[in-house]
Amino acid sequence: GAVVSQHPSRVICKSGTSVKIECRSLDFQATTMFWYRQFPKQSLMLMATSNEGSKATYEQGVEKDKFLINHASLTLSTLTVTSAHPEDSSFYICSAREHDINNEQFFGPGTRLTVL
Amino acid sequence: TQLLEQSPQFLSIQEGENLTVYCNSSSVFSSLQWYRQEPGEGPVLLVTVVTGGEVKKLKRLTFQFGDARKDSSLHITAAQPGDTGLYLCAGAQRGSTLGRLYFGRGTQLTVWP
Repeated sequence: GAVVSQHPSRVICKSGTSVKIECRSLDFQATTMFWYRQFPKQSLMLMATSNEGSKATYEQGVEKDKFLINHASLTLSTLTVTSAHPEDSSFYICSAREHDINNEQFFGPGTRLTVL
Repeated sequence: TQLLEQSPQFLSIQEGENLTVYCNSSSVFSSLQWYRQEPGEGPVLLVTVVTGGEVKKLKRLTFQFGDARKDSSLHITAAQPGDTGLYLCAGAQRGSTLGRLYFGRGTQLTVWP
């Protein structure tokens, strides 16, 4: 149980285009989903927290107009990187939290974004 | 500043050796998780500890939560090359309604055959 999928696993795009990443909880309903960014050999950096049906809460320094998050259902959250630039190239990982289970988060496999 | 200080940052050992990874904080956590991540993949949950003084074992891995719930350790006995990966500790604070986790910087473990 507690499987989270992420799509696509890899994406290469041109500078100025937008990219959408999907995060799905496959066998449970996720009250909260989280989006992280990770640089090579480093820990996870939380970008935003999203609850189904409400606006996402962004961490300080993360541009909400740049990284659009939509949490339309209890099993799906999307992250759209708008007008992507090479500095947005990174490994993006989502996680999902099942309600009140010791704050455990289950992570997707990640999306490698490369902006040319 | 990092809420959870994780050490060491890098660890390179021979197969068969033992090792310990530490996570320390001045803050109290309601729960603490340990994850393992391989390159190009998402972190995988290894264990959750919630009670002060709790010890959990997962085969050759032993996890301990400090009595005051401010620190935790991961001990691996007789490490194997398959243990290679990035180990992350993450804590949740009491009263956090959204369940946000605070991550340590990670320990990159390499076990040589």
